[in-house]
Amino acid sequence: DVKVTQSSRYLVKRTGEKVFLECVQDMDHENMFWYRQDPGLGLRLIYFSYDVKMKEKGDIPEGYSVSREKKERFSLILESASTNQTSMYLCASSIPGRGSYNEQFFGPGTRLTVL
Amino acid sequence: AQRVTQPEKLLSVFKGAPVELKCNYSYSGSPELFWYVQYSRQRLQLLLRHISRESIKGFTADLNKGETSFHLKKPFAQEEDSAMYYCALRTYSGAGSYQLTFGKGTKLSVIP
Repeated sequence: DVKVTQSSRYLVKRTGEKVFLECVQDMDHENMFWYRQDPGLGLRLIYFSYDVKMKEKGDIPEGYSVSREKKERFSLILESASTNQTSMYLCASSIPGRGSYNEQFFGPGTRLTVL
Repeated sequence: AQRVTQPEKLLSVFKGAPVELKCNYSYSGSPELFWYVQYSRQRLQLLLRHISRESIKGFTADLNKGETSFHLKKPFAQEEDSAMYYCALRTYSGAGSYQLTFGKGTKLSVIP
């Protein structure tokens, strides 16, 4: 059974702080993703990675960076948190390729509040 | 550019009534579509994918390329179907990798 875990369920930070959100998956998946989920806006892709040390920008990368030093771990970094980054952050992983079973498996989410 | 549209933010139906959650897409390539569901206090999970032509929890969805739609249907709604539903389109990102573009979601509320 695929397990995607995120380091915190709830996080409260102050404006300007550097924030790290960690995601770990235990199924040896090559692909990992970071989304933010906002009411009325759905899920929006921030960054994704298809291999160690590889990263690609998603639809809304501004204000974020990522790090993938090990296959199982994908970190989302807010260099200087702002109030408009208050959101639910979801991590996901999947195997690569075109196969019909390449569903994305999601973590439980981190609700970040920036004051 | 690819786009997924779910026109209803909220859909309320009575228990036992038919349900149809609408999804339209825009994509120049060959579409691969999915429905994901998020029940209260649970993580987002795959409900069904068009390529499998399966019925999950009584839900079905047919890809209509002519109308560029992938509506989710269930003949008789149950209270446990209340959840947030997202339609998603998979697109090729390069280097053998794919990403999902999600719609904004529809919250289904089944009234007892």
